[in-house]
Amino acid sequence: DVVMTQSPLSLPVTLGQPASISCRSSQSLVHSDGNTYLNWFQQRPGQSPRRLIYKVSNRDSGVPDRFSGSGSGTDFTLKISRVEAEDVGVYYCMQSTHWSLTFGGGTKVEIK
Amino acid sequence: RVVQSGAEVKKPGASVKVSCKASGYNFTGYYMHWVRQAPGQGLEWMGWINPNSGDTNYAQQFQDRVTMTRDTSISTAYMELSRLRSDDTAVYYCASSMDVWGQGTTVTVSS
Repeated sequence: DVVMTQSPLSLPVTLGQPASISCRSSQSLVHSDGNTYLNWFQQRPGQSPRRLIYKVSNRDSGVPDRFSGSGSGTDFTLKISRVEAEDVGVYYCMQSTHWSLTFGGGTKVEIK
Repeated sequence: RVVQSGAEVKKPGASVKVSCKASGYNFTGYYMHWVRQAPGQGLEWMGWINPNSGDTNYAQQFQDRVTMTRDTSISTAYMELSRLRSDDTAVYYCASSMDVWGQGTTVTVSS
C-alpha cells in the first residue's frame, strides 16, 4: 500500500495567521490517466469528515478560498491563508491513485 | 445526503450490517465508499461498491470479512463485517464518491 505521511502532527496557530500542512506519499501519485488523485479532508470535533480539496488543488463546492492545495508527484501541501476559529480540527490527506486508498495520519489544527 | 443506521453493540465473533440510505442525488452514479475510525484514531478506508453494477473493491485487510452490497430500489448501500473483534470497535462511515458523508455509525464490540 502507498504510505501517506503528514507533518506536523499538531499545529497551533494564531487566529488570522497562515497555516501549512505537508503530506508525502511513498510512491508517485500520478495516475496513468495523467491525473493526480490527492485529496484533503477536514474533520471538525464530533463531526464526519468533509472533503476540501480533490485532485491536488480543486476546492469542493462551498469551501472557503482561504484553503488551497498544491504539490506534485509525492509532495503535497494544504495551506490556510488566514486561520479562523471554525478551522479547528484534524486534517487528512488521502490518495486515490493506487489501490487501495490510503489516508495520512492526520494533523490537528488548534488555536494558540 | 446519506443517512446511516443506528449504533450497534455486538459480541466478539458476531457480524454487523450497517446501512446507508442516499437521497437527493443519483444513487447509482457514484461509488459508495466505507471508511472507519477507531476511537481517537485516524481514518481507514475499507472499500467501495459501484451501486450501478454491484462491483466491489475491498482493502486487503478486510478482504475475508467484509461484504458490501446495495439495493438500488431503495437507494441504500450496506456494509457487513463478520467475525467481529474488539479492535473493530469504531465509527463506520459511508461516503458517496468521498464527497457526501454519512453521520457515522458507532459499532461497539464487547463481551
